[in-house]
Amino acid sequence: DAMVIQNPRYQVTQFGKPVTLSCSQTLNHNVMYWYQQKSSQAPKLLFHYYDKDFNNEADTPDNFQSRRPNTSFCFLDIRSPGLGDAAMYLCATSREGIPGYEQYFGPGTRLTVT
Amino acid sequence: QKEVEQNSGPLSVPEGAIASLNCTYSDRGSQSFFWYRQYSGKSPELIMSIYSNGDKEDGRFTAQLNKASQYVSLLIRDSQPSDSATYLCAVMGGYSTLTFGKGTMLLVSP
Repeated sequence: DAMVIQNPRYQVTQFGKPVTLSCSQTLNHNVMYWYQQKSSQAPKLLFHYYDKDFNNEADTPDNFQSRRPNTSFCFLDIRSPGLGDAAMYLCATSREGIPGYEQYFGPGTRLTVT
Repeated sequence: QKEVEQNSGPLSVPEGAIASLNCTYSDRGSQSFFWYRQYSGKSPELIMSIYSNGDKEDGRFTAQLNKASQYVSLLIRDSQPSDSATYLCAVMGGYSTLTFGKGTMLLVSP
């Protein structure tokens, strides 16, 4: 089945130790998004790729970086995780031509920082 | 700052009742609106999208949009315990991005 896949599903890292989260999709969607969601809060957009064009939200901390080596894959790098970065990280995709750019989410990666 | 407002709830309804979830948004130019369902610890799942004023029905779900009042709602008929979740309203802004509300928790009691 076509889908959005995130790995790992659960990640534990130490304070300050770099971590990379991955997202892949078989939907052939040209737009990919990374969101951060903390408990009882709305998903917060960190950045998104429209094709190869990278779009960073103004309030995304510099500690967060992203790479999209090809259409199918996208990575979220957290260079020096702090305790406040513990959250669910959600990858989503959409496609130009879908009405309203409907977004489809992967299962998420739960990040714990110790 | 584009805002999407939802009552956090919880909204409690008995099984078989109609659940009514509401959302208001601040950007009058918004054209696309979505409802996502999110079970605890899971990712959001798209359940409805609506782009024109009026009602859109899909099974037990009806989305209603009133752009003049900047208001979107979701009705769930014949509510089931399995509908218990947080419902997120999302509004498309510029550059194909969404602004989400904080969500309304729905509890359906057997």
